[in-house]
Amino acid sequence: GAGVSQSPSNKVTEKGKDVELRCDPISGHTALYWYRQSLGQGLEFLIYFQGNSAPDKSGLPSDRFSAERTGGSVSTLTIQRTQQEDSAVYLCASSRPGTSGSSSYNEQFFGPGTRLTVL
Amino acid sequence: GQNIDQPTEMTATEGAIVQINCTYQTSGFNGLFWYQQHAGEAPTFLSYNVLDGLEEKGRFSSFLSRSKGYSYLLLKELQMKDSASYLCAVGNDYKLSFGAGTTVTVRA
Repeated sequence: GAGVSQSPSNKVTEKGKDVELRCDPISGHTALYWYRQSLGQGLEFLIYFQGNSAPDKSGLPSDRFSAERTGGSVSTLTIQRTQQEDSAVYLCASSRPGTSGSSSYNEQFFGPGTRLTVL
Repeated sequence: GQNIDQPTEMTATEGAIVQINCTYQTSGFNGLFWYQQHAGEAPTFLSYNVLDGLEEKGRFSSFLSRSKGYSYLLLKELQMKDSASYLCAVGNDYKLSFGAGTTVTVRA
């Protein structure tokens, strides 16, 4: 089946504008994650969805960042009043229902990312 | 907090072996993951260790010592296509915390 897809692949915007990034997870994957990858930095966790709810928003860097998920599928990450420091690659990943415990894991499948450049 | 360290860059010759070390200090642990990321592409899963010891998968092997907070990824019989960034990540329930990645360059 199809993998995780993201759109747009590239987005150039002016400082102060709002942007919306879209993620289509793998069908049947109820867990969805957003990460940010800045040049020379590791992947930075932003937010986690289980179904349509977001039990962990702890990684969102400021109140300019928000995300929603509808129908347990597509998710959008919105950045309001973009700043130059928001320039990065935004990656989305999905997995089967998240579980805890040391004997199980659910591999996260990543999309190709959206490269955001704020001028 | 989470602290995951791995070397920034490594260079090796085609056909050789390279070992990428990762040390971690994290508030929770339920597994150590390695991902491969080619430039401009999505990270792809390579391996998962939850128990101490070595997991072998073809040319790639991954080792874990939980007591030492240490893992390594071993790449054997290096090929040019192995030039990529290798990401170490610690799992804590649903969340993955990543190191900054190690860029491996394979030279002919």
